[in-house]
Amino acid sequence: GAVVSQHPSWVICKSGTSVKIECRSLDFQATTMFWYRQFPKQSLMLMATSNEGSKATYEQGVEKDKFLINHASLTLSTLTVTSAHPEDSSFYICSARDGSIQFSGPYNEQFFGPGTRLTVL
Amino acid sequence: DQQVKQNSPSLSVQEGRISILNCDYTNSMFDYFLWYKKYPAEGPTFLISISSIKDKNEDGRFTVFLNKSAKHLSLHIVPSQPGDSAVYFCAVKFYAGGTSYGKLTFGQGTILTVHP
Repeated sequence: GAVVSQHPSWVICKSGTSVKIECRSLDFQATTMFWYRQFPKQSLMLMATSNEGSKATYEQGVEKDKFLINHASLTLSTLTVTSAHPEDSSFYICSARDGSIQFSGPYNEQFFGPGTRLTVL
Repeated sequence: DQQVKQNSPSLSVQEGRISILNCDYTNSMFDYFLWYKKYPAEGPTFLISISSIKDKNEDGRFTVFLNKSAKHLSLHIVPSQPGDSAVYFCAVKFYAGGTSYGKLTFGQGTILTVHP
């Protein structure tokens, strides 16, 4: 259980184009999904938190108009990188939280997708 | 400002020996600490965690130690196996803004290589 998929697994695009990345929870309903970005040899940086049916909450320094997040259903969240530029090239990972489970404390709440490698030429 | 640091980018260990991965944090208010394992082209998977009220938690070959006074935690893998070769991230979980879920802040990761 607790499987999260991402699509595509990798994408190459030209500068100025927009790219959409999908994150799906396959066997549970995800009331909350998180989007992370990882640069080579660096940590996963939380970009934004999305709750189903409401606007995403962006971390400080993340441009909300640049990284559009939509969480229209309990199993799907999308991240759209608008007008992508080479500096947006990175590894993007989503995670999903099973809303039916009341976790607290040290327990793991997030289940991660396999990531999407974005290369902007 | 990096709140969670893994100062060793890589670690190489012989099969059967102990692997010790280290992590330091800056905020003494952090309550929950987690370790994740990540293979290339895959997302992180949860390994083991510990609450700040404990100093040790063990799960099979994996043990996490927490030293609150030093703001340091470590992951011990005994015995190490070639299949353990992966990137290991420590993370802290905190509850923000009255939410019911915890947000994670990750360290930079340590690449563990276990040689046969």
